[in-house]
Amino acid sequence: DGGITQSPKYLFRKEGQNVTLSCEQNLNHDAMYWYRQDPGQGLRLIYYSQIVNDFQKGDIAEGYSVSREKKESFPLTVTSAQKNPTAFYLCASVGGGTGELFFGEGSRLTVL
Amino acid sequence: AQSVTQLGSHVSVSEGALVLLRCNYSSSVPPYLFWYVQYPNQGLQLLLKYTSAATLVKGINGFEAEFKKSETSFHLTKPSAHMSDAAEYFCAVSDWNNDMRFGAGTRLTVKP
Repeated sequence: DGGITQSPKYLFRKEGQNVTLSCEQNLNHDAMYWYRQDPGQGLRLIYYSQIVNDFQKGDIAEGYSVSREKKESFPLTVTSAQKNPTAFYLCASVGGGTGELFFGEGSRLTVL
Repeated sequence: AQSVTQLGSHVSVSEGALVLLRCNYSSSVPPYLFWYVQYPNQGLQLLLKYTSAATLVKGINGFEAEFKKSETSFHLTKPSAHMSDAAEYFCAVSDWNNDMRFGAGTRLTVKP
């Protein structure tokens, strides 16, 4: 079945460490997105990529980095510069011709 | 950029009662409007979407929403709530560049 796979689902990190969240899709979608979700704040856009080898910052890109070397993959690195990284991270891609986002199951990062 | 506002961070209804979740979009008419549902520790699932084909949009699980330009609203309704409807609901708007923006979310509680 087509979809978006995020891994790991749960991740613990010590302060000062970088961590990379994986996002893979087999929907043949060009555009992919990373959102951060905190209680009561909805989803905030971190980075998005409309095409391979190109990506743009979203509203809260500071402390994060991404790459888009393949159409299927859009990994997100949470760096030690991110001051408050504990959150639920959602990856998505857009398709269907009407801007509909398809989401992965999410990755919950906890900094100890 | 487009934006949406969800009125009420928490809504509580009794089982069998009407569900009404409110969403207002920014003043310019958006190309696409969406309602998504999220269950705990999961990604978002599409409930329904407005694409200007019809103002009354029917979605999954008995939900529907009506686009009202005069009120800049896209409220979500369901005639009779089920316990399984308890979740968080997000209204979202997307422009022609697939720039999707989400509301802060409304948590729906269903009382037996």
